[in-house]
Amino acid sequence: ETGVTQTPRHLVMGMTNKKSLKCEQHLGHNAMYWYKQSAKKPLELMFVYNFKEQTENNSVPSRFSPECPNSSHLFLHLHTLQPEDSALYLCASSSGQGSYEQYFGPGTRLTVT
Amino acid sequence: GESVGLHLPTLSVQEGDNSIINCAYSNSASDYFIWYKQESGKGPQFIIDIRSNMDKRQGQRVTVLLNKTVKHLSLQIAATQPGDSAVYFCAETPNAGGTSYGKLTFGQGTILTVHP
Repeated sequence: ETGVTQTPRHLVMGMTNKKSLKCEQHLGHNAMYWYKQSAKKPLELMFVYNFKEQTENNSVPSRFSPECPNSSHLFLHLHTLQPEDSALYLCASSSGQGSYEQYFGPGTRLTVT
Repeated sequence: GESVGLHLPTLSVQEGDNSIINCAYSNSASDYFIWYKQESGKGPQFIIDIRSNMDKRQGQRVTVLLNKTVKHLSLQIAATQPGDSAVYFCAETPNAGGTSYGKLTFGQGTILTVHP
């Protein structure tokens, strides 16, 4: 266990659905991240939150909407997704205080039909 | 654009052998490097890291070597075990000392298979 949990672990949704991914870290970290992992592509950074403030948006389409209500929780709200959005979505956290080691959750395997 | 990439997508070794996984990076401003291991069904797990002011760092059964001249990073695993079978990613960030968090750029990954 890395101290980062993600729910659900698997999600199948239609293109017209709205769903949310949840991430929680129990490490007392201040920075949280969303990554997309597709087959045969490197991990793609999507969003970064540092002390609850969004500091990075890596040109992510607006159908992905992040939310960080506090330093321990991170959400990714999904709506009107496309089949090419099917991937493993990974959440990570880091201390946000000069340490760059990121701790990853197990990911949510998303399939868009 | 800047990228981090791996020379070999797959590596097969016998149990007990030493493994070497390579990584090339292109950003000369990269300041911090990290190796992750990802097993099937799990998220990436930290293995070892190294800063640009070092050229070697050792952990338990693992050693990371950094050659800044040719922008090359390697991960050496001693006495490889079946439990080492996984995908290994290198990642880098130029932000060490800049921001309080790291904006990591990941390589594509190398699949390591260890045969008993």
